[in-house]
Amino acid sequence: GEDVEQSLFLSVREGDSSVINCTYTDSSSTYLYWYKQEPGAGLQLLTYIFSNMDMKQDQRLTVLLNKKDKHLSLRIADTQTGDSAIYFCAEISNYGGSQGNLIFGKGTKLSVKP
Amino acid sequence: DSGVTQTPKHLITATGQRVTLRCSPRSGDLSVYWYQQSLDQGLQFLIQYYNGEERAKGNILERFSAQQFPDLHSELNLSSLELGDSALYFCASSVVGGRGRGTGELFFGEGSRLTVL
Repeated sequence: GEDVEQSLFLSVREGDSSVINCTYTDSSSTYLYWYKQEPGAGLQLLTYIFSNMDMKQDQRLTVLLNKKDKHLSLRIADTQTGDSAIYFCAEISNYGGSQGNLIFGKGTKLSVKP
Repeated sequence: DSGVTQTPKHLITATGQRVTLRCSPRSGDLSVYWYQQSLDQGLQFLIQYYNGEERAKGNILERFSAQQFPDLHSELNLSSLELGDSALYFCASSVVGGRGRGTGELFFGEGSRLTVL
């Protein structure tokens, strides 16, 4: 079956760069996503990358995709305390009953220390 | 504010009981999705409806059921509740979601936290 894996915790100091990594199993995924969940809130789409791209940059966010290794990463430059949240990697399911729907990793909790 | 409204925000009930969670999608969104978030399982896709019809089914237990009404709001019914059903249940909506078209961006509500004692 499909699986999306992420490390559960990351702690960085304010001003440093954060890199959150994710591995996925379905090589046919057309889009890969990063969602952010702030405390007490629902998930919010942060950014996404199309599978034919290697990199996408959006202000402080850089997404890198290595299709060969099925590895996705999210880099946050100049990390701020407001970036403290849980970050979810997601791919689109292409199998079974959940086909077409997002399959999420368990989320990486980013803690930013002042 | 995502525009997706979920009620109730918190719910405490006993084992064996039945509860109903409600979701109002963003205006104009035809698809509604239900996800269960727990510490050990992470975010699990339960079920999707598109314009009133069931579109996709994930890891939803037989004790759980859902429906989408003509006004596009959705309800998730959880019955014969067990301690392990305690979780945060999210509803999300999107404009697209017809068969084979993928989800597009999902907009999530703030969730309904269910505690089963």
